[in-house]
Amino acid sequence: GQQLNQSPQSMFIQEGEDVSMNCTSSSIFNTWLWYKQDPGEGPVLLIALYKAGELTSNGRLTAQFGITRKDSFLNISASIPSDVGIYFCAGQYVGGSNYKLTFGKGTLLTVNP
Amino acid sequence: GAVVSQHPSWVICKSGTSVKIECRSLDFQATTMFWYRQFPKQSLMLMATSNEGSKATYEQGVEKDKFLINHASLTLSTLTVTSAHPEDSSFYICSARDRRGGPYEQYFGPGTRLTVT
Repeated sequence: GQQLNQSPQSMFIQEGEDVSMNCTSSSIFNTWLWYKQDPGEGPVLLIALYKAGELTSNGRLTAQFGITRKDSFLNISASIPSDVGIYFCAGQYVGGSNYKLTFGKGTLLTVNP
Repeated sequence: GAVVSQHPSWVICKSGTSVKIECRSLDFQATTMFWYRQFPKQSLMLMATSNEGSKATYEQGVEKDKFLINHASLTLSTLTVTSAHPEDSSFYICSARDRRGGPYEQYFGPGTRLTVT
């Protein structure tokens, strides 16, 4: 199936640093979602974006829905060790009864204390 | 709220046998549930969309006779891997869409690790 281009693939940072990751698509989406997955667990929703240009924060996390509706980024400020995990972007195009999510390949984040 | 459970959390089965995985929405009703497969260090790949009371819609390349999906109630969907082979070993994750919520409100279960020997 279709996948989004998510970058970077992995990041190694020091505790306290800021992090940025992004996703791009050849198709437009109505909704962009950012998830975090810990090893052996299901994804947990971090931020949902519903409108082009929208900028939304959730604590130290900030995400934006690109104006073209084909991209989104996620920023994490002042990283801490528990931020370690895999971050996935997901796009959703709602048409008819189709609510399918298309996932990026993920960004593996490692935070060194 | 919005908790999705899966059972079992892990299972080991012999090649040629079938295994059933359950996905339950514990505190909401889910008109739609989704089944994903995730291989190590890879993203989630949608296998099928399951609507309560109707046949599941499978993604291209997913064998419907091998991966049987039953969504018999608004809180339960099951995935049965029939005649399992070692290449079916994977992490299977379901998500459920709250019937009261918007299209984006999908909640994921904790996943089921399947190992076929």
